[in-house]
Amino acid sequence: DARVTQTPRHKVTEMGQEVTMRCQPILGHNTVFWYRQTMMQGLELLAYFRNRAPLDDSGMPKDRFSAEMPDATLATLKIQPSEPRDSAVYFCASASGTGGYEQYFGPGTRLTVT
Amino acid sequence: AQSVSQHNHHVILSEAASLELGCNYSYGGTVNLFWYVQYPGQHLQLLLKYFSGDPLVKGIKGFEAEFIKSKFSFNLRKPSVQWSDTAEYFCAVIEGFNNNDMRFGAGTRLTVKP
Repeated sequence: DARVTQTPRHKVTEMGQEVTMRCQPILGHNTVFWYRQTMMQGLELLAYFRNRAPLDDSGMPKDRFSAEMPDATLATLKIQPSEPRDSAVYFCASASGTGGYEQYFGPGTRLTVT
Repeated sequence: AQSVSQHNHHVILSEAASLELGCNYSYGGTVNLFWYVQYPGQHLQLLLKYFSGDPLVKGIKGFEAEFIKSKFSFNLRKPSVQWSDTAEYFCAVIEGFNNNDMRFGAGTRLTVKP
């Protein structure tokens, strides 16, 4: 049963610290997404990659967030420096094909910045 | 820009009641439509999807949805809910082809009382 995996599942950090979240997409999926979920804003698309190239990162605060895909099996989302308003659940999702297809979500990383 | 509206924020039902959750979108062209479910503390899982063909789509766990193009709607239904259906339900839309930008509605929280 192929799944998207994310680490860590939970992260508590202090304001100003760097946070790195990792995602392993389903093998063979060529598109990877990062979402943020909060009570106030719901699900927000932060960025997505196709074939490891960033296609859209307009939803991401550029000054502190960065997303990369070092290889086809790993996507990372980094926050530096972190702020309390970054507290949220961050989901990674992956999809196959050139577009229009369903996305498979990982279990999420629950980030708390104090 | 594409928008997805879910008019019900919180629905409370008793077991065995029938369910209908509304979803409307704003794009006038070809769309792919999805319903996802998020059980408490878990990630989003695909319930059902519509790409083309029969506008009445059957999904997992007894859910179905009907695409009504003239109304720009994709409402989710279940004839008899169970306590285990308590979750948050998200409608999502991808417009056109070769597009991975999935837009989510704000979600509807369903509480089923035993």
